[in-house]
Amino acid sequence: AQSVTQLGSHVSVSEGALVLLRCNYSSSVPPYLFWYVQYPNQGLQLLLKYTSAATLVKGINGFEAEFKKSETSFHLTKPSAHMSDAAEYFCAVSVGGNEKLTFGTGTRLTIIP
Amino acid sequence: DAMVIQNPRYQVTQFGKPVTLSCSQTLNHNVMYWYQQKSSQAPKLLFHYYDKDFNNEADTPDNFQSRRPNTSFCFLDIRSPGLGDAAMYLCATSRDPGSYNEQFFGPGTRLTVL
Repeated sequence: AQSVTQLGSHVSVSEGALVLLRCNYSSSVPPYLFWYVQYPNQGLQLLLKYTSAATLVKGINGFEAEFKKSETSFHLTKPSAHMSDAAEYFCAVSVGGNEKLTFGTGTRLTIIP
Repeated sequence: DAMVIQNPRYQVTQFGKPVTLSCSQTLNHNVMYWYQQKSSQAPKLLFHYYDKDFNNEADTPDNFQSRRPNTSFCFLDIRSPGLGDAAMYLCATSRDPGSYNEQFFGPGTRLTVL
């Protein structure tokens, strides 16, 4: 069975600083990996996804993530945080032949002015 | 714009009183999902439809049912809501059931049980 672990349920960064949100996955077969963002009282919006093409994936709003098989990681980064980035971020995994997305427990990102 | 719509956005019901949540989509996607998300937790898949084929998660309580009368609409029925069912309910769609397919989420319905 697949799973994801998000290290740090809360992350605070200063406006303009680097954002790094950590995600490690567990899967016995090559995974598909996703990052979603959720603003308060809203649904989830896809930031980016890894589907076995390029290991460095660029998404919306200046975010990117790098798939590292050796580390079983898919960390989300953004070079310069903006106040509008404050939200909950979820990493998710699915595997071939299974429609099910398995989500991590989420990381709440706070931006300090 | 193509989208996933959920109504109502906020629903208040009484303990034990049946409630129905609605989801519609203009994306013409084949798969529709229902998730339950409790406060500060990850979304938890309840069930999904691939076209008319219903797929229930093993740990979804019998109290939760779903209907999909046509491609565009899907309903979540909670037969006898308990206090523990208070949560955000998210509807999502995907074009096909392949695992690389993005899921598109609606804004959610927040259910309060009194």
